[in-house]
Amino acid sequence: SSELTQDPAVSVALGQTVRITCQGDSLRSYYASWYQQKPGQAPILVIFGNNNRPSGIPDRFSGSSSGNTASLTITGAQAEDEADYYCNSRDSSDNLRVFGTGTKVTVL
Amino acid sequence: QVQLVESGGGVVQPGRSLRLSCEASGFTFSTYAMHWVRQAPGKGLEWVALIWYDGSNKYYADSVKGRFTISRDNSKNTLYLQLNSLRAEETAFYYCAREKYTSGWYYFDYWGQGTLVTVSS
Repeated sequence: SSELTQDPAVSVALGQTVRITCQGDSLRSYYASWYQQKPGQAPILVIFGNNNRPSGIPDRFSGSSSGNTASLTITGAQAEDEADYYCNSRDSSDNLRVFGTGTKVTVL
Repeated sequence: QVQLVESGGGVVQPGRSLRLSCEASGFTFSTYAMHWVRQAPGKGLEWVALIWYDGSNKYYADSVKGRFTISRDNSKNTLYLQLNSLRAEETAFYYCAREKYTSGWYYFDYWGQGTLVTVSS
């Protein structure tokens, strides 16, 4: 089955921009979706279908994709954006799903 | 509003079984594929299983294939996960999630709050 690799941790100064990447072969065939998870809470969807935000997600969150890499960008990071972020896609060879390894975002 | 409420977690000995439930409300349950996702304490998310809207197809992560069984009862708006031959390393929060499929995009648009399964002697 596929694997999706993310950097374990990134930090960003308050109000600055941070990009989180997700790499894997399945991303050549399927768009990633992105999930934010804060301590003690269930994940929530922040980006789907390359660059679509669900209702209620601030427009400082955006997504993009190229080749085998998907990216989540937070433009003007806020303190409340400090969380773990996970990418997810369908497996390229069958109907399974796979999560990325997760990135912890710290807002300084 | 969409709600997913898991139940059935608890403490179980290694090698024993447990059945989790996820009660859905606020949407037409029988028209959505559903998933189970788990997260061991302090670890990342791990996809576990998928069942199609009508229960006709089921898919599993290699780590649980042959031991876990996903099922659903559309008349009761409930998703299930039968966990057999449990291992200590499967101690985790188990989440149910609704899958949305739009324009070729797959994503989990709603999640439950999770139920904790602790496998310990």
